[in-house]
Amino acid sequence: NAGVMQNPRHLVRRRGQEARLRCSPMKGHSHVYWYRQLPEEGLKFMVYLQKENIIDESGMPKERFSAEFPKEGPSILRIQQVVRGDSAAYFCASSPNPITGRLYEQYFGPGTRLTVT
Amino acid sequence: KNEVEQSPQNLTAQEGEFITINCSYSVGISALHWLQQHPGGGIVSLFMLSSGKKKHGRLIATINIQEKHSSLHITASHPRDSAVYICAVVKETSGSRLTFGEGTQLTVNP
Repeated sequence: NAGVMQNPRHLVRRRGQEARLRCSPMKGHSHVYWYRQLPEEGLKFMVYLQKENIIDESGMPKERFSAEFPKEGPSILRIQQVVRGDSAAYFCASSPNPITGRLYEQYFGPGTRLTVT
Repeated sequence: KNEVEQSPQNLTAQEGEFITINCSYSVGISALHWLQQHPGGGIVSLFMLSSGKKKHGRLIATINIQEKHSSLHITASHPRDSAVYICAVVKETSGSRLTFGEGTQLTVNP
């Protein structure tokens, strides 16, 4: 049973380029969270999605950042026109559908380390 | 002031020592997680608890809801336990997303 998968593991982008980070949840999981860990800082919530629906995006910067979780395929966190301040580790976590009763379980992926040069 | 505070920030121990990492929070919670993060690596969930105590191998996690406090204990510590340990809570008012402490850097020397 594969765990949460994220790719790429490392991504280097020049200022102004776009970054696309992918997250495939654990088998049977229908909900995905994205968290960001800036250098020397703690983890911060960004967005919570279920398939085809954004549940909570209160942690997402208002500009340049977007997230989706289509019916088929991985969840994608997209950062347009990256700046140096976007350099961070981006972690995805997946959870079962809450109707299963397994509330609050989250399983983390290995993260994507984004470096903006 | 952070809603989730951990202490100590840094901890150095000798192999075999008993280790305690503390987490205090100032909000109502639905659950609390202890996570482990190795350098350059991903995040592993160690425990999720909402009351009482859980044990897995040499790791023990406890929570006191009334006092808004949780502890992570490591018995017979080993150098491979060296990592950052992170406390995270599910706030009652924030759905299911996690709010994190700053982490405790643990180094166990042989």
